[in-house]
Amino acid sequence: QKEVEQNSGPLSVPEGAIASLNCTYSDQGSQSFFWYRQYSGKSPELIMFIYSNGDKEDGRFTAQLNKASQYVSLLIRDSQPSDSATYLCAVISGNTPLVFGKGTRLSVIA
Amino acid sequence: KAGVTQTPRYLIKTRGQQVTLSCSPISGHRSVSWYQQTPGQGLQFLFEYFSETQRNKGNFPGRFSGRQFSNSRSEMNVSTLELGDSALYLCASRMGLAGGNEQFFGPGTRLTVL
Repeated sequence: QKEVEQNSGPLSVPEGAIASLNCTYSDQGSQSFFWYRQYSGKSPELIMFIYSNGDKEDGRFTAQLNKASQYVSLLIRDSQPSDSATYLCAVISGNTPLVFGKGTRLSVIA
Repeated sequence: KAGVTQTPRYLIKTRGQQVTLSCSPISGHRSVSWYQQTPGQGLQFLFEYFSETQRNKGNFPGRFSGRQFSNSRSEMNVSTLELGDSALYLCASRMGLAGGNEQFFGPGTRLTVL
């Protein structure tokens, strides 16, 4: 059973701080990794994706991959109250388009 | 470019009934996947369609079925509804089946089974 594990949180950070979100995955063959943000009552929104060949930065967001430890992280710099949401880590594993973790709830305190 | 659309947005059914949900992908996207989201289980993959053929299937009973039409629109059907089928059903589209193709989600259909 391919799995993606995330700490459910809540993770609370003050406004302006760096939020660090992590997930681990069980399938060593996984090569595509995605971060989605989901506001309460809304559908998931893709914010970052990385492939097995490296890290990626996009504005305030940085996604990092550690293949040896099977670990993916998302850093949010200068966190804003509007970043408060559940962050879902997802991995393409085998024939399943996306295997999701259960998400980490982030709360940015003004 | 219009996003993924799903209809209806909300649905209330009773146990034993059946339901059909509809999804229209982003223009040019040929793959449509369906997911079930519940508070306890999170997001779980139901199935994926590409070129009118089911390509992948998750671990759900046969009461859950789907199909895809030649214009890439997809429908999902749940027969003999159970209380546990109450969930948010999400449809996602991507261009193709390659691993790097990002998936984009529709707004979902919230199904309540009484």
